[in-house]
Amino acid sequence: EAGVAQSPRYKIIEKRQSVAFWCNPISGHATLYWYQQILGQGPKLLIQFQNNGVVDDSQLPKDRFSAERLKGVDSTLKIQPAKLEDSAVYLCASSLGLGSSYEQYFGPGTRLTVT
Amino acid sequence: GENVEQHPSTLSVQEGDSAVIKCTYSDSASNYFPWYKQELGKGPQLIIDIRSNVGEKKDQRIAVTLNKTAKHFSLHITETQPEDSAVYFCAASRGGSYIPTFGRGTSLIVHP
Repeated sequence: EAGVAQSPRYKIIEKRQSVAFWCNPISGHATLYWYQQILGQGPKLLIQFQNNGVVDDSQLPKDRFSAERLKGVDSTLKIQPAKLEDSAVYLCASSLGLGSSYEQYFGPGTRLTVT
Repeated sequence: GENVEQHPSTLSVQEGDSAVIKCTYSDSASNYFPWYKQELGKGPQLIIDIRSNVGEKKDQRIAVTLNKTAKHFSLHITETQPEDSAVYFCAASRGGSYIPTFGRGTSLIVHP
């Protein structure tokens, strides 16, 4: 079974630039999550999708972050404009569905450096 | 919201020793407690979890204990091996959405 795929693996940008991350979840997984992991901390949820609908985006900084999951499969997370404090690893995870499976499967992440 | 504290931040042991990582949580309604292992350059991987109706769970060299009254839970790794070296995260969640709140992580180093 293929795991969660993410790209790019690394990205370096200057502040005020924009950046986009892509995630392909495990086939058949209805729920998709984006997390931000700052160095030395645990992952923090940014947004959760169930199919192509948003379930929870309460911790997403909506003035600069946006995410979509068209057709309920792949997802993109965008930051525009980026700030220095956005430097982190952005993790995508998927699970079978709300309440049907507790386990989240994480991708390798995208390491973003904002200079 | 939920707050999860994890200790220690770094743990160094000799191969074959046991390692214990402890976490406390604040939300008494939390009922699901997963533990993740994160190796360098990889995403977290679930290694064991426990639900609030169980006090202890074991899987080979890994065990987790839960004390709901005190609101703390622990990860125990016996007979540690160098490949156990990684960052370990505890987490807690409640309700149907199962969004975990993570601790800050413990860097486990197993010296051969």
